[in-house]
Amino acid sequence: DTAVSQTPKYLVTQMGNDKSIKCEQNLGHDTMYWYKQDSKKFLKIMFSYNNKELIINETVPNRFSPKSPDKAHLNLHINSLELGDSAVYFCASRAGGKTQYFGPGTRLLVL
Amino acid sequence: GQQVMQIPQYQHVQEGEDFTTYCNSSTTLSNIQWYKQRPGGHPVFLIQLVKSGEVKKQKRLTFQFGEAKKNSSLHITATQTTDVGTYFCAGDQTGANNLFFGTGTRLTVIP
Repeated sequence: DTAVSQTPKYLVTQMGNDKSIKCEQNLGHDTMYWYKQDSKKFLKIMFSYNNKELIINETVPNRFSPKSPDKAHLNLHINSLELGDSAVYFCASRAGGKTQYFGPGTRLLVL
Repeated sequence: GQQVMQIPQYQHVQEGEDFTTYCNSSTTLSNIQWYKQRPGGHPVFLIQLVKSGEVKKQKRLTFQFGEAKKNSSLHITATQTTDVGTYFCAGDQTGANNLFFGTGTRLTVIP
């Protein structure tokens, strides 16, 4: 069984569109994260949610909004997509102080 | 703010050569974790070190946590093509539930 799943795996869209990426974890972890990985492979943390409360927001444009309907899900909604948003987006989850589990990633290409 | 740097950013080695990546944190860490990301994949947990000066081995991989708990290294002996990927260190600050990921080292192994 997949521990952390993301959909879609690939997303190609036009500039200006709005899109969402979904993430689900079946590990019972309290904290979930969204990361952006650029072409240089840097992993930049965007958001984390702990028990449905946003606890980190690392200077991410407000076009990005995380939504967590419950502690097993953390979705990422992006408004007015820009060329620079093209990247791989990873969802992850973690129980305090322990291993972090990543989803397979969503490869976003904005044209 | 918290910064975790890794050197080198890129490393090309001939198959059979050794490889080392170094991780340095601007602050003291409660523990250090290492992750490997294969090309096209997602980061996967390798190991966690907790004690000052700790050394752990996994087959050809040797991990070390510095005495001051601010740096770490990963050494691979006799690299193989299966070692290709990006290696990330990640550290916990005491009391924080957020892993600070290093900048990563991308390893290429030439057959």
